[in-house]
Amino acid sequence: QSVLTQPPSASGTPGQRVTISCSGSSSNIGRNAVNWYQHLPGTAPKLLIYDNHQRPSGVPDRFSGSKSGTSASLAISGLQSEDEAVYYCEAWDGSLNGQVFGGGTKLTVL
Amino acid sequence: QVHLQESGPGLVKPSETLSLTCTVSGTSFTNYYWSWIRQPPEKGLEWIGYIHYSGNTNYNPSLKSRVTISLDTSKNQFSLKMTSVTVADTAVYYCAREYSSSSGLDYWGQGTLVTVSS
Repeated sequence: QSVLTQPPSASGTPGQRVTISCSGSSSNIGRNAVNWYQHLPGTAPKLLIYDNHQRPSGVPDRFSGSKSGTSASLAISGLQSEDEAVYYCEAWDGSLNGQVFGGGTKLTVL
Repeated sequence: QVHLQESGPGLVKPSETLSLTCTVSGTSFTNYYWSWIRQPPEKGLEWIGYIHYSGNTNYNPSLKSRVTISLDTSKNQFSLKMTSVTVADTAVYYCAREYSSSSGLDYWGQGTLVTVSS
């Protein structure tokens, strides 16, 4: 049971906009930054969004992040086949005094 | 170019100690947190713990009694030791770098599969 809650799956067709939610609590998302990672099988996870909505250099602006209260979202616009991956949210949890991840959302591009 | 690479035995017997090393290149250790994360088969990511370049450590409460992370800057390495392993510790283990909790884990190793089995 992950501390941060994500839907196990999401899907969309090429060109569509998809959003993935991440729900937490006041001890994690409510007071700390949310980061998002893209994970393709057999590869290292890739930092996609940091500090709620910032994009590292090289990440397309099709990817965007937002946070409100104790929830966060990752939006992917102009969906492409190469976006098919598992997406994880992550934040610091002050009560656990450690980093916590969501359970991951497997995105399928139909 | 920043590069992290995990190394260590791929097979560990139950009740023994798992030892992994992460070799770092292309970056200084200064000002960063150096983390270990794992992914059991068919499951999500789990944070194990980190060591700050200052030597301060912090561990997942659920693993704290069994885990030690250490740093050897002279060898450009940091290491993970996990004692009394069980089959539940079978996972792909990743090392990663982080500047702060809000900056995210920006560089990761490719991961190494550790299987706990007799």
